[in-house]
Amino acid sequence: AQKITQTQPGMFVQEKEAVTLDCTYDTSDPSYGLFWYKQPSSGEMIFLIYQGSYDQQNATEGRYSLNFQKARKSANLVISASQLGDSAMYFCAMREGGTYNTDKLIFGTGTRLQVFP
Amino acid sequence: DTEVTQTPKHLVMGMTNKKSLKCEQHMGHRAMYWYKQKAKKPPELMFVYSYEKLSINESVPSRFSPECPNSSLLNLHLHALQPEDSALYLCASSQEGLAGGYHTGELFFGEGSRLTVL
Repeated sequence: AQKITQTQPGMFVQEKEAVTLDCTYDTSDPSYGLFWYKQPSSGEMIFLIYQGSYDQQNATEGRYSLNFQKARKSANLVISASQLGDSAMYFCAMREGGTYNTDKLIFGTGTRLQVFP
Repeated sequence: DTEVTQTPKHLVMGMTNKKSLKCEQHMGHRAMYWYKQKAKKPPELMFVYSYEKLSINESVPSRFSPECPNSSLLNLHLHALQPEDSALYLCASSQEGLAGGYHTGELFFGEGSRLTVL
């Protein structure tokens, strides 16, 4: 069963606007971590933001925030004030188990974001 | 600049060749990973090393042979590959939780080695 679902293959946003990239997940483990990575055309996976399953508040990192709705099993990424350099592939990922596990990071299929002037 | 360095960045090899991909990190991380990423697909886990011991092998064919000579280095030896093995191979590292302390388990990735098998 697919554990991470990204339903938006592609998204367009105008520069300086905000955009939300969707991610839903499925797990029976009460302890898990959710990640968002950005992959520009160079290939490197760049870590953006992390949300732990027990974290009480939604994670924020600069222009990135994570809209974590635990009951709905969703972890959407919000990018505020989009920039042309934000154009890239964005992957949602999940690690099951606690932070003391070296465990698999499972990735969603990704969303290609294109920012236009 | 990425703190995980992968070489070579591009590799073209024939099906009878033997080659190796190399990965190096100096962040003191004790877990290292190989991922394979086909075009327009998400990365797929191949191997995990924890404290220099192989802890996860995702049923990868034996023509891929990982090696972790020390805590900073990770190699992927390639032999008798098939054209369908052409992909971007990503190395990553993370802090190992058993070392103590809270961490998110964030993986730090290199830029990848783009492999073409002819």
